[in-house]
Amino acid sequence: EVQLVESGGGLVQPGGSLRLSCAVSGFIFSSYAMTWVRQAPGKGLEWVSAISGSGGSTYYADSVKGRFTISRDNSKNTLYLQMFSLRAEDTAVYYCALLGSGWYSPPDYWGQGTLVTVSS
Amino acid sequence: QPVLTQSSSASASLGSSVKLTCTLSSGHSSYTIAWHQQQPGKAPRNLMKLENSGSYNKGSGVADRFSGSSSGADRYLTISNLQSEDEADYYCETWDSNTRVFGGGTKLTVL
Repeated sequence: EVQLVESGGGLVQPGGSLRLSCAVSGFIFSSYAMTWVRQAPGKGLEWVSAISGSGGSTYYADSVKGRFTISRDNSKNTLYLQMFSLRAEDTAVYYCALLGSGWYSPPDYWGQGTLVTVSS
Repeated sequence: QPVLTQSSSASASLGSSVKLTCTLSSGHSSYTIAWHQQQPGKAPRNLMKLENSGSYNKGSGVADRFSGSSSGADRYLTISNLQSEDEADYYCETWDSNTRVFGGGTKLTVL
């Protein structure tokens, strides 16, 4: 059974940093691209970032480029999102998702999300 | 990059059918999209991948009541025999070489 479990969310002050993790099981992690998607309270879905199976290719939305870094540790079956210079508008539930059929397909599985709140 | 436009809300009666629309921006009318369902308080769930041709591949466990179709820049999600659990937000998504985009979502109310 495929499982994705996010962690690391919480309350952080504007300008602060936070690292999210997504622990996965039930598939060969290193074979698949992964993505992060966020959802601000009461708002729609927003794509944040993605990474290839090897970690060699990374992609970012303009809204987070230069502030967020996506990475993965295939030996630990874990995806990460390092967030720097956080702003109030980064407040959202952050979901990790598996691109099981590659970049040109939708996410097959989603985690349950972790809430990040940026506030003083 | 592509832009996806969805109506903010829709409603239909229990047991009836509803057709939701996602419109691709100019210059992107041939793009493949995906439909996702998000029930209240839950994570999104992939419903299907829908191609320009109208052919679609549904996600794991998606009921037969869900189907897709295409016409020009419009991509449709049709839900037949509406059930109460279909009351949810529905998002379309597309992608190109280095970015992914979601539509604003349609909130479906089952009357």
